[in-house]
Amino acid sequence: GAVVSQHPSRVICKSGTSVKIECRSLDFQATTMFWYRQFPKQSLMLMATSNEGSKATYEQGVEKDKFLINHASLTLSTLTVTSAHPEDSSFYICSARDRLGYRETQHFGDGTRLSIL
Amino acid sequence: QQQVKQSPQSLIVQKGGISIINCAYENTAFDYFPWYQQFPGKGPALLIAIRPDVSEKKEGRFTISFNKSAKQFSLHIMDSQPGDSATYFCAATRGAQKLVFGQGTRLTINP
Repeated sequence: GAVVSQHPSRVICKSGTSVKIECRSLDFQATTMFWYRQFPKQSLMLMATSNEGSKATYEQGVEKDKFLINHASLTLSTLTVTSAHPEDSSFYICSARDRLGYRETQHFGDGTRLSIL
Repeated sequence: QQQVKQSPQSLIVQKGGISIINCAYENTAFDYFPWYQQFPGKGPALLIAIRPDVSEKKEGRFTISFNKSAKQFSLHIMDSQPGDSATYFCAATRGAQKLVFGQGTRLTINP
């Protein structure tokens, strides 16, 4: 149980392209989803907290116009990297909190490797 | 106040040995301390977690030791296997607040 699916797993695109990453909770409802960024050999850095039906809360230093988050349903949140540039290349990971589970527990997806040429 | 410090940064253990990873926190309001295991190219997976009302929790070969007065907790992997080679992250949180992650430990188990 508690499966989080992230799609695509890998994307390579040209500079200036906008890229959308989907995060789905497959067997539970998630009122809250989180988006992280991870650089090689580093820890996870929280980018934003996504709440169903409301605006996302961004961490300090994260450009909300650059990283658009939409949490339209209890099972889907999307992260759109707008006008991506090489410095946006990274490993993006989402997690979801089960509406009916322990509030501390986050279930993680398998990440999306984004490479901007 | 919100930091979780993790050590060592990397660790090499022989197969069958005990792997020990340590974490220290500052915020005494934290009340949930999970450990995550991450393989290359994958997302983190919850391994084991503890709350501060107990000093130890064991699940199979994995044990968390918790020292509330010292504000430290550690992960022990008994009988370490090559398949345990991964990056391990400790974390801390309180209630529905965000997870605060440690810096990670890259564990290598030599056969």
